[in-house]
Amino acid sequence: GQQVMQIPQYQHVQEGEDFTTYCNSSTTLSNIQWYKQRPGGHPVFLIQLVKSGEVKKQKRLTFQFGEAKKNSSLHITATQTTDVGTYFCAGSGPYSGAGSYQLTFGKGTKLSVIP
Amino acid sequence: NAGVTQTPKFQVLKTGQSMTLQCAQDMNHEYMSWYRQDPGMGLRLIHYSVGAGITDQGEVPNGYNVSRSTTEDFPLRLLSAAPSQTSVYFCASSRRDKAVKQYFGPGTRLTVT
Repeated sequence: GQQVMQIPQYQHVQEGEDFTTYCNSSTTLSNIQWYKQRPGGHPVFLIQLVKSGEVKKQKRLTFQFGEAKKNSSLHITATQTTDVGTYFCAGSGPYSGAGSYQLTFGKGTKLSVIP
Repeated sequence: NAGVTQTPKFQVLKTGQSMTLQCAQDMNHEYMSWYRQDPGMGLRLIHYSVGAGITDQGEVPNGYNVSRSTTEDFPLRLLSAAPSQTSVYFCASSRRDKAVKQYFGPGTRLTVT
């Protein structure tokens, strides 16, 4: 079945440093979503990328979807303590009936920010 | 709107006991799903439903049952709890479009002793 690998598993950064997490799929994705989970909380949707090569920005966060639609990245510029949490990517494969509604989550990257 | 609600927040079970985790949403979403989250394992899909009366298995369905009699509710039943089912369980809902934004509930932390 579809697998989504995410690296690194953990990242510790000094406040103000940049942070990047990478997501790779074993199959071509129809789209990819990114979620953030604060410690003790639930995943919260950040963004969805659909088009090959798409780049979207949300303030200090930049999301990219690869040309082959098999990889994606999230980059945070100048991290702040409010960025602490686990970031998950979630990929959806090609349409295949009811199976298209399944998202396959990466294992997440846990970000710690040292003030 | 309350969004997605889950009860209980915490639960301790003994091995072999059964219980039902409740999930409800008030957004009229067709698609609902259950995930479990274990340390280092991310979110793994247990069961999902694309509408009332329709359910299907996800990645890790063994030991769990679901039913969907209404659009609003999607309960998850543990038939005979095992220590391996100790986890945090999240329910999520979304529109029935092709993989759109998932709204997650606050989660149920389950411990099986």
